[in-house]
Amino acid sequence: QVQLQESGPGLVTPSETLSLTCAVSGESISSRNWWTWVRQSPGEGLQWIGEIIQTGTTTYNPSLKSRVTISVDEARNQFSLTLRSVTAADTAVYYCTRVKAGCSTASCYFDPWGQGRLVTVSS
Amino acid sequence: EIVLTQSPGTLSLSPGERATLSCRASPSVTRSHLAWYQQKLGQAPRLLLYATSTRAAGIPLRFSGSGSGTDFTLTISRLEPEDFAVYYCLRYDISDVYTFGGGTKVEVK
Repeated sequence: QVQLQESGPGLVTPSETLSLTCAVSGESISSRNWWTWVRQSPGEGLQWIGEIIQTGTTTYNPSLKSRVTISVDEARNQFSLTLRSVTAADTAVYYCTRVKAGCSTASCYFDPWGQGRLVTVSS
Repeated sequence: EIVLTQSPGTLSLSPGERATLSCRASPSVTRSHLAWYQQKLGQAPRLLLYATSTRAAGIPLRFSGSGSGTDFTLTISRLEPEDFAVYYCLRYDISDVYTFGGGTKVEVK
């Protein structure tokens, strides 16, 4: 059974860089899955941030693309999120999740999810 | 602009009642690329349905999905106490963009 676990600082200073890692267990990150980040601001809805496959190919939400980098570490079986120049608007719970075998003509969905990591942007 | 509009924002019902949640897509979306999630307070979203109407593993039969094109519906046939939560729809587009709806909260009347 695949399990995902986010980790990283819970507090980031405005204008600095947010960095989170998602450890994957129960499956190789080198599989043909797309590894994904989603966030949820307090009391708000869900926003897709971006995704990566083990080849290093990425896709990002156009609204965040200029500030986001997602990378994969096959040796540690984990993937990471970097969000630069953060503001209070980036305060959110950040989730990592998976698109199994990528989106096909038959289906496309995120599952499973990590428990989430609350990141607060504040001085 | 790719949008998913969920309605109503809040649905107040009693246990045992039927819940009907709407997700309107603009532009239209392929049935296979529309999914539904349930989220309880303090928890990660839980996959309910994918490809519009296919239940995920372990999801009870009382949850069903329908629709096509621009109009999709999640139906909970008889609400159980554990079903009171927020529900989101999710779409994928071939431009490699994922979009969530704004959510519908199902609360106890």
